[in-house]
Amino acid sequence: GQQVMQIPQYQHVQEGEDFTTYCNSSTTLSNIQWYKQRPGGHPVFLIQLVKSGEVKKQKRLTFQFGEAKKNSSLHITATQTTDVGTYFCAGGAGNNRKLIWGLGTSLAVNP
Amino acid sequence: EAGVAQSPRYKIIEKRQSVAFWCNPISGHATLYWYQQILGQGPKLLIQFQNNGVVDDSQLPKDRFSAERLKGVDSTLKIQPAKLEDSAVYLCASSLGGGGAHTGELFFGEGSRLTVL
Repeated sequence: GQQVMQIPQYQHVQEGEDFTTYCNSSTTLSNIQWYKQRPGGHPVFLIQLVKSGEVKKQKRLTFQFGEAKKNSSLHITATQTTDVGTYFCAGGAGNNRKLIWGLGTSLAVNP
Repeated sequence: EAGVAQSPRYKIIEKRQSVAFWCNPISGHATLYWYQQILGQGPKLLIQFQNNGVVDDSQLPKDRFSAERLKGVDSTLKIQPAKLEDSAVYLCASSLGGGGAHTGELFFGEGSRLTVL
């Protein structure tokens, strides 16, 4: 079945370092969403990408959707302790707009 | 704007007992989802409703799990009988839905944490 792989599973960085998580699908996606889940919290929507090759920025966060619409990345510049959490990608697939979720990348930031 | 409401926040039961979770989505949201999130894993879709119809329940263990969304608004998820492996957070989410080509932003509730002893 359709799968969305997300790497790395865990990442420890020093505050101020950059961080990137990658999302790869076995099939073409109609769209991709990114969510952030703080420890003990619930997923919170960050952004949705729809177009091939699309790049969107939110302050220190940069999101990309690949040309083939099979992969995506989230890059955080100069991490802060407030960036701690698990970042999930979720790809849209199928006629019912089903979301296929990655397993997430857990980010720890050392002050 | 009120968010997605879920109750109870926490529930502890013994195996073979039953439990029910309730969700009230954001007003006007046509699509409602129930996800199961086991500690350290990503959300797993159990069931997706569009208004009061089921869109996807392919991963719902139908021998023990049931869900309904009467009148296309709030929803309940029931587990009977519970097993140890059902210990997880049950997340309800809603989205505007509608006829668009894409899912749209999901708004999640705080979740219901179930512990099965």
